[in-house]
Amino acid sequence: AQKITQTQPGMFVQEKEAVTLDCTYDTSDQSYGLFWYKQPSSGEMIFLIYQGSYDEQNATEGRYSLNFQKARKSANLVISASQLGDSAMYFCAMRGHTGTASKLTFGTGTRLQVTL
Amino acid sequence: DVKVTQSSRYLVKRTGEKVFLECVQDMDHENMFWYRQDPGLGLRLIYFSYDVKMKEKGDIPEGYSVSREKKERFSLILESASTNQTSMYLCASSLAGKLITGELFFGEGSRLTVL
Repeated sequence: AQKITQTQPGMFVQEKEAVTLDCTYDTSDQSYGLFWYKQPSSGEMIFLIYQGSYDEQNATEGRYSLNFQKARKSANLVISASQLGDSAMYFCAMRGHTGTASKLTFGTGTRLQVTL
Repeated sequence: DVKVTQSSRYLVKRTGEKVFLECVQDMDHENMFWYRQDPGLGLRLIYFSYDVKMKEKGDIPEGYSVSREKKERFSLILESASTNQTSMYLCASSLAGKLITGELFFGEGSRLTVL
Protein backbone atom coordinates (compact mmCIF):
# COMPACT_ATOMS: atom_id res chain seq x y z
CA ALA A 1 0.00 0.00 0.00
CA GLN A 2 1.08 3.53 -0.64
CA LYS A 3 0.67 6.46 1.68
CA ILE A 4 1.20 10.19 1.28
CA THR A 5 1.55 12.48 4.31
CA GLN A 6 1.21 16.24 4.19
CA THR A 7 1.66 17.58 7.71
CA GLN A 8 0.93 21.26 7.02
CA PRO A 9 -2.82 21.90 6.85
CA GLY A 10 -2.19 25.59 6.16
CA MET A 11 0.70 27.87 5.29
CA PHE A 12 1.16 31.60 4.86
CA VAL A 13 3.80 33.23 2.71
CA GLN A 14 4.43 36.81 1.70
CA GLU A 15 4.32 37.77 -1.92
CA LYS A 16 7.67 37.35 -3.69
CA GLU A 17 9.00 35.01 -1.01
CA ALA A 18 9.75 31.32 -1.52
CA VAL A 19 7.76 28.64 0.26
CA THR A 20 8.22 24.91 0.78
CA LEU A 21 5.27 22.55 1.07
CA ASP A 22 6.15 19.26 2.73
CA CYS A 23 5.30 15.81 1.47
CA THR A 24 6.51 12.43 2.70
CA TYR A 25 5.53 9.12 1.23
CA ASP A 26 5.64 5.46 2.02
CA THR A 27 5.84 2.68 -0.52
CA SER A 28 7.50 -0.67 -1.00
CA ASP A 29 7.72 -0.17 -4.76
CA GLN A 30 11.15 0.37 -6.28
CA SER A 31 9.74 2.36 -9.17
CA TYR A 32 7.19 5.10 -8.56
CA GLY A 33 6.19 8.59 -9.53
CA LEU A 34 5.42 11.65 -7.43
CA PHE A 35 3.08 14.43 -8.47
CA TRP A 36 1.96 17.81 -7.20
CA TYR A 37 -1.40 19.34 -8.03
CA LYS A 38 -2.82 22.78 -7.34
CA GLN A 39 -6.50 23.33 -6.62
CA PRO A 40 -7.67 26.98 -6.69
CA SER A 41 -10.94 27.99 -5.10
CA SER A 42 -12.69 27.33 -8.40
CA GLY A 43 -12.14 23.62 -7.78
CA GLU A 44 -10.25 22.30 -10.79
CA MET A 45 -7.11 20.26 -10.17
CA ILE A 46 -4.08 21.58 -12.03
CA PHE A 47 -1.05 19.35 -12.56
CA LEU A 48 2.14 21.16 -11.57
CA ILE A 49 5.15 18.86 -11.57
CA TYR A 50 6.28 15.24 -11.73
CA GLN A 51 9.30 13.39 -10.29
CA GLY A 52 10.22 9.82 -11.12
CA SER A 53 11.89 7.70 -8.48
CA TYR A 54 14.86 7.00 -10.75
CA ASP A 55 15.29 10.58 -11.92
CA GLU A 56 18.69 11.77 -10.80
CA GLN A 57 17.84 15.44 -10.90
CA ASN A 58 15.10 17.28 -9.09
CA ALA A 59 12.23 18.24 -11.34
CA THR A 60 11.62 21.89 -12.13
CA GLU A 61 8.78 23.65 -13.94
CA GLY A 62 9.05 27.40 -14.02
CA ARG A 63 8.69 28.67 -10.45
CA TYR A 64 7.99 25.17 -9.16
CA SER A 65 10.67 22.74 -8.14
CA LEU A 66 10.50 19.43 -6.39
CA ASN A 67 13.04 18.75 -3.64
CA PHE A 68 13.28 14.97 -3.91
CA GLN A 69 15.13 13.15 -1.14
CA LYS A 70 14.72 9.46 -1.83
CA ALA A 71 16.39 8.16 1.31
CA ARG A 72 14.11 10.32 3.45
CA LYS A 73 11.09 9.50 1.27
CA SER A 74 10.26 13.14 0.89
CA ALA A 75 9.11 15.11 -2.14
CA ASN A 76 8.68 18.72 -1.06
CA LEU A 77 7.32 21.34 -3.44
CA VAL A 78 9.19 24.62 -3.55
CA ILE A 79 7.46 27.66 -5.01
CA SER A 80 9.79 30.56 -5.68
CA ALA A 81 8.74 34.21 -5.87
CA SER A 82 5.19 33.58 -4.62
CA GLN A 83 2.34 35.39 -6.31
CA LEU A 84 -1.17 36.14 -5.07
CA GLY A 85 -2.47 33.68 -7.65
CA ASP A 86 -0.57 30.89 -5.91
CA SER A 87 -3.14 30.94 -3.10
CA ALA A 88 -4.75 27.51 -3.35
CA MET A 89 -4.83 23.96 -1.99
CA TYR A 90 -1.82 21.88 -2.94
CA PHE A 91 -1.89 18.11 -3.09
CA CYS A 92 0.99 15.68 -3.23
CA ALA A 93 0.29 12.33 -4.89
CA MET A 94 2.09 9.19 -5.91
CA ARG A 95 1.72 6.24 -8.21
CA GLY A 96 3.49 2.96 -7.67
CA HIS A 97 4.32 0.11 -9.98
CA THR A 98 2.57 -2.79 -8.33
CA GLY A 99 -1.06 -3.71 -8.73
CA THR A 100 -3.07 -1.54 -11.05
CA ALA A 101 -0.51 1.05 -11.94
CA SER A 102 -2.68 3.90 -13.08
CA LYS A 103 -4.28 5.23 -9.93
CA LEU A 104 -2.86 8.05 -7.85
CA THR A 105 -2.86 8.12 -4.06
CA PHE A 106 -3.25 11.64 -2.66
CA GLY A 107 -2.30 13.35 0.55
CA THR A 108 -4.67 15.49 2.60
CA GLY A 109 -3.42 18.73 1.11
CA THR A 110 -1.91 22.04 2.26
CA ARG A 111 -3.78 25.30 1.93
CA LEU A 112 -1.38 28.07 0.92
CA GLN A 113 -2.28 31.69 1.44
CA VAL A 114 -0.09 34.34 -0.20
CA THR A 115 -0.23 37.72 1.51
CA LEU A 116 0.83 41.21 0.45
CA ASP B 1 -7.36 21.57 -25.50
CA VAL B 2 -7.86 18.46 -23.39
CA LYS B 3 -11.10 18.31 -21.51
CA VAL B 4 -12.84 16.34 -18.81
CA THR B 5 -16.40 17.51 -18.37
CA GLN B 6 -18.63 16.74 -15.42
CA SER B 7 -22.28 17.23 -16.16
CA SER B 8 -23.28 19.07 -12.98
CA ARG B 9 -21.26 21.48 -10.86
CA TYR B 10 -23.78 21.59 -8.04
CA LEU B 11 -26.49 19.12 -7.06
CA VAL B 12 -28.90 18.97 -4.14
CA LYS B 13 -30.63 15.64 -3.54
CA ARG B 14 -32.75 14.06 -0.84
CA THR B 15 -31.84 11.04 1.24
CA GLY B 16 -32.76 7.85 -0.56
CA GLU B 17 -32.71 9.34 -4.05
CA LYS B 18 -30.75 7.69 -6.84
CA VAL B 19 -28.04 10.03 -8.08
CA PHE B 20 -26.09 9.93 -11.33
CA LEU B 21 -22.87 11.86 -11.80
CA GLU B 22 -21.69 11.92 -15.39
CA CYS B 23 -18.20 12.45 -16.71
CA VAL B 24 -17.05 12.73 -20.32
CA GLN B 25 -13.50 13.06 -21.63
CA ASP B 26 -12.44 13.94 -25.16
CA MET B 27 -8.83 12.76 -24.99
CA ASP B 28 -9.39 9.10 -25.94
CA HIS B 29 -8.00 8.05 -22.55
CA GLU B 30 -8.35 4.45 -21.50
CA ASN B 31 -8.38 5.10 -17.76
CA MET B 32 -11.06 7.00 -15.89
CA PHE B 33 -11.47 7.60 -12.17
CA TRP B 34 -13.91 8.88 -9.60
CA TYR B 35 -12.49 10.51 -6.49
CA ARG B 36 -14.23 12.01 -3.52
CA GLN B 37 -12.76 15.08 -1.79
CA ASP B 38 -13.50 15.99 1.81
CA PRO B 39 -11.80 18.60 4.02
CA GLY B 40 -8.93 17.10 5.97
CA LEU B 41 -9.16 13.82 4.08
CA GLY B 42 -7.82 14.81 0.69
CA LEU B 43 -8.89 12.87 -2.39
CA ARG B 44 -9.98 9.29 -1.96
CA LEU B 45 -10.50 6.90 -4.85
CA ILE B 46 -14.00 5.46 -5.19
CA TYR B 47 -13.81 3.48 -8.44
CA PHE B 48 -11.77 3.42 -11.58
CA SER B 49 -12.04 1.90 -15.02
CA TYR B 50 -9.24 0.91 -17.38
CA ASP B 51 -11.43 -0.08 -20.33
CA VAL B 52 -15.01 -0.08 -21.52
CA LYS B 53 -17.17 -2.22 -19.24
CA MET B 54 -14.19 -2.81 -16.92
CA LYS B 55 -14.09 -1.42 -13.42
CA GLU B 56 -12.20 -1.84 -10.19
CA LYS B 57 -12.99 -0.77 -6.67
CA GLY B 58 -10.94 1.95 -5.14
CA ASP B 59 -10.46 2.66 -1.47
CA ILE B 60 -14.03 3.68 -0.58
CA PRO B 61 -16.49 1.95 -2.97
CA GLU B 62 -19.25 1.30 -0.43
CA GLY B 63 -22.51 2.95 -1.40
CA TYR B 64 -21.38 3.65 -4.97
CA SER B 65 -21.42 1.91 -8.31
CA VAL B 66 -20.11 2.91 -11.73
CA SER B 67 -20.88 2.39 -15.37
CA ARG B 68 -18.65 2.64 -18.42
CA GLU B 69 -20.52 1.73 -21.58
CA LYS B 70 -18.45 3.96 -23.85
CA LYS B 71 -14.79 4.84 -23.71
CA GLU B 72 -15.38 8.54 -23.24
CA ARG B 73 -18.04 8.32 -20.53
CA PHE B 74 -17.78 7.19 -16.91
CA SER B 75 -20.75 7.48 -14.60
CA LEU B 76 -20.87 7.36 -10.82
CA ILE B 77 -24.10 6.12 -9.30
CA LEU B 78 -25.35 6.54 -5.78
CA GLU B 79 -28.11 3.95 -5.53
CA SER B 80 -29.65 5.48 -2.41
CA ALA B 81 -28.04 8.75 -1.42
CA SER B 82 -27.22 9.35 2.21
CA THR B 83 -26.16 12.49 4.05
CA ASN B 84 -22.63 11.13 4.55
CA GLN B 85 -22.23 11.18 0.77
CA THR B 86 -22.38 14.96 0.76
CA SER B 87 -19.04 15.81 -0.81
CA MET B 88 -17.11 17.09 -3.81
CA TYR B 89 -16.76 14.44 -6.51
CA LEU B 90 -13.92 14.65 -8.99
CA CYS B 91 -13.66 12.72 -12.22
CA ALA B 92 -10.29 12.19 -13.89
CA SER B 93 -8.77 10.39 -16.85
CA SER B 94 -5.33 9.27 -17.97
CA LEU B 95 -3.56 7.41 -20.74
CA ALA B 96 -3.07 3.71 -20.20
CA GLY B 97 0.39 3.60 -21.72
CA LYS B 98 2.03 5.94 -19.22
CA LEU B 99 2.03 3.54 -16.33
CA ILE B 100 4.10 5.62 -13.94
CA THR B 101 4.56 9.03 -15.48
CA GLY B 102 1.16 9.96 -16.85
CA GLU B 103 -0.67 12.60 -14.91
CA LEU B 104 -4.40 12.57 -14.30
CA PHE B 105 -6.57 15.16 -16.01
CA PHE B 106 -9.43 16.30 -13.82
CA GLY B 107 -12.87 17.72 -14.37
CA GLU B 108 -14.08 20.76 -12.45
CA GLY B 109 -15.85 18.70 -9.82
CA SER B 110 -19.45 18.10 -8.80
CA ARG B 111 -20.47 19.32 -5.39
CA LEU B 112 -23.25 17.10 -4.09
CA THR B 113 -25.38 17.96 -1.09
CA VAL B 114 -27.68 15.27 0.30
CA LEU B 115 -30.42 16.57 2.59
